[in-house]
This record gives sequence, C-alpha cells and structure tokens, in this order.
Amino acid sequence: SQTIHQWPATLVQPVGSPLSLECTVEGTSNPNLYWYRQAAGRGLQLLFYSIGIDQISSEVPQNLSASRPQDRQFILSSKKLLLSDSGFYLCAWSVRPPSMGELFFGEGSRLTVL
Amino acid sequence: AQSVSQHNHHVILSEAASLELGCNYSYGGTVNLFWYVQYPGQHLQLLLKYFSGDPLVKGIKGFEAEFIKSKFSFNLRKPSVQWSDTAEYFCAVSRGVSGSARQLTFGSGTQLTVLP
Repeated sequence: SQTIHQWPATLVQPVGSPLSLECTVEGTSNPNLYWYRQAAGRGLQLLFYSIGIDQISSEVPQNLSASRPQDRQFILSSKKLLLSDSGFYLCAWSVRPPSMGELFFGEGSRLTVL
Repeated sequence: AQSVSQHNHHVILSEAASLELGCNYSYGGTVNLFWYVQYPGQHLQLLLKYFSGDPLVKGIKGFEAEFIKSKFSFNLRKPSVQWSDTAEYFCAVSRGVSGSARQLTFGSGTQLTVLP
C-alpha cells in the first residue's frame, strides 16, 4: 500500500533562518506531488506542484521554494523565513492524470516563525 | 477563478443530532466534488467524492452528500452524528472531465464538534 510521510511534525524557527521540510512517498511510482499551506479559517492553499523530478510549478509568489531531487521525494525550503511563513504545511500526492482530484495527504508540519 | 464556500465555520451538535454542512462552488462547467475530513491528530483524508452519475453519493462512516447542479451545491449530511465525528471537514472542487488535482480548490473548512 502507498504511504506518505513528512517531517518534522513541528518546527519553531527564528525570523531569517532557513527552512527545510521533507516529504517522501512509498508504494507508488511517478506520483504527482504537492505542497499546501493550511491557514486557520482559510482552507488549503496550493503552493507547489510537481509532475516529475526537477519539474516544479509554483502556484503563488512567496518566500518559499520546492525541489524534487528524487521521484518520491519533495522538499519545501526557504533561505530566510518571514513571520508570515508560519502555518501548517501539508504534502500530498496523487496518481498521474486523470487523478480526478483525489489527493493523499501527509501528517502535516506545523511551522512557527518567531 | 472558481471558489468554494463553506458557510459554517464551526458547528456544535449533540450526539444523535442530524448534520448538514453546506458547500457551494462558483464554477459553471463540469466539476468533480469532494469532501475531505481531518480527525484530530490524523491525516486529512477523503470522505466521499462525486464524479458523475447518481447525484447522491455515500461515503465512509454513514456520511452522504448530494450534488444539486442547479444550486451549485454539494452538501454533506449524516442522519445521526457520533462523538467520533468531531473533525474538520473540507469541501473541494476540481474542474473538467479529468479533474486534475492541480485544479482542486478547497473551501475554508468547517469544524464540527459533537458533544457526548
């Protein structure tokens, strides 16, 4: 069966420090991968989308970047965190289209920037 | 751009009460509709989905949702809630026949609290 894991689960970082959140998927090949941010009362916002190694699309301008060095590994990064980067980040995967919009989510990572 | 509205931000019910959570979307073309649920401390997971056919779809744990195209709605229902249904519920919509997950738009979520 397929599984998805992301870590760390909780992170407290000072403003200006770097960030790296990692996500891995097991049990499937060539998944589409996603990074979402979940803000209280605002639903899920798609940040990055990847259809393959080194193929990343950014959905919103921001202080964050994403990389996909391996087929089932997706990393969310920042060189210098801002206070506004605080939030709950979710990694997800789907099968190749037609995925019909069905996503499988990781456990989430809560980032607090102080 | 399409939008998804969940009008109830927080719903509090007693056990055995009936539940209906509203979801409306703005896109007028072909849509695929989803309800996702996040139980405390667990992954966000799919509760039910509608692609085509019977507009009344049944999901896990006794939940159902009805697609009413004329009202652009996909409301979630359960006849009798349990304490274990306490969770946050998200409506989501994707467009088109293939319904790419990249085009999935989520509502802002409804926190359901069921009192024992």
